[in-house]
Amino acid sequence: GAVVSQHPSRVICKSGTSVKIECRSLDFQATTMFWYRQFPKQSLMLMATSNEGSKATYEQGVEKDKFLINHASLTLSTLTVTSAHPEDSSFYICSASPAGSNNEQFFGPGTRLTVL
Amino acid sequence: KQEVTQIPAALSVPEGENLVLNCSFTDSAIYNLQWFRQDPGKGLTSLLLIQSSQREQTSGRLNASLDKSSGRSTLYIAASQPGDSATYLCAVRLGDMRFGAGTRLTVKP
Repeated sequence: GAVVSQHPSRVICKSGTSVKIECRSLDFQATTMFWYRQFPKQSLMLMATSNEGSKATYEQGVEKDKFLINHASLTLSTLTVTSAHPEDSSFYICSASPAGSNNEQFFGPGTRLTVL
Repeated sequence: KQEVTQIPAALSVPEGENLVLNCSFTDSAIYNLQWFRQDPGKGLTSLLLIQSSQREQTSGRLNASLDKSSGRSTLYIAASQPGDSATYLCAVRLGDMRFGAGTRLTVKP
């Protein structure tokens, strides 16, 4: 149980384009989802926390207009990187917390974004 | 602000050795601490979760301890195997989760 999927697993795009990454909880309803970014050989850094049906809460230094997060249902959250630049190339990982779990997090497999 | 540090950053051992990975955190007011494994280019696999009221957790060859007052946790791996090669991350939670940068473990056959 508690499986989280991400799609796509890998994406390459041109600079200036937008990329959408999906995070799905497959066998549970997630009231809260988290988005992390991980640069090579570095730690996971929390970007934002999203609660179903409300606006995401962004960490300091994360541009909310560049990283659009939508959590429209209890099983799906999306992260859209708008006007992507090479410095946005990174590994993006989402996690999901089941309802009533007191924010225990289950992690997705990650999405590797490369911006050319 | 909570800071999580992992030492060493990298470790290489021969197969069969017992080893210890270290994690320290600056704010002892945590809800829990969790150890993860991350294979190259992959997501996270949860290994052990220690609640703030607990001192240790064990799973197979893995044992994790928590000393909240000193802000430290250790992950002990017994009889290491080449399949244990991965990056090991610790994360502490109080509200959100804060991760260390990880220890890259290589177990040589």
